[in-house]
Amino acid sequence: KQEVTQIPAALSVPEGENLVLNCSFTDSAIYNLQWFRQDPGKGLTSLLLIQSSQREQTSGRLNASLDKSSGRSTLYIAASQPGDSATYLCAVSPRPQAGTALIFGKGTTLSVSS
Amino acid sequence: GAGVSQTPSNKVTEKGKYVELRCDPISGHTALYWYRQSLGQGPEFLIYFQGTGAADDSGLPNDRFFAVRPEGSVSTLKIQRTERGDSAVYLCASSLRGGPFDEQFFGPGTRLTVL
Repeated sequence: KQEVTQIPAALSVPEGENLVLNCSFTDSAIYNLQWFRQDPGKGLTSLLLIQSSQREQTSGRLNASLDKSSGRSTLYIAASQPGDSATYLCAVSPRPQAGTALIFGKGTTLSVSS
Repeated sequence: GAGVSQTPSNKVTEKGKYVELRCDPISGHTALYWYRQSLGQGPEFLIYFQGTGAADDSGLPNDRFFAVRPEGSVSTLKIQRTERGDSAVYLCASSLRGGPFDEQFFGPGTRLTVL
């Protein structure tokens, strides 16, 4: 059974720091991996989607990498800002077929202080 | 156009009551998903619709939970004889065709509290 783990569960950093969030999954047979952001009381906003054949994706200050063979992904946030404070969720799509439900980790709650 | 919307945003009910939660997906999206997120946890899959039919309901916890999508757009998640353990945020997502390349767009969720 596929399990997704995110470390750390919580992280506090001062503004301007670069930081890395970690995601690991137990079964390397994934189709893609997504990183989401969730603000308190809000839904999920997709940040980056990495197909299994890709190694990384970049969007602005965010860079996500994928090492499928080792079951790991990292989300790198450059020059963090207070507005980056949120919970970051990692999710994998475990089967290469339509309608695959995402399997999520528990998330990392990030707090960036000014 | 508008994103995924869900109503109500909050629902408080008493143990044993029946509740309905509504999801309006993005127009034109054929795939619709329901997830449940308990406090401190990631979302967990409940059910997936492709058009009007439930293509995968393997995540529904028991027969008190049921969902419909009669016209292939709006979906309603129905919970009978609610229990305190049903308290959670219920999230709806839609995607264009449900394919592995398709991004899932999430709604804001309905926070259900069972007293």
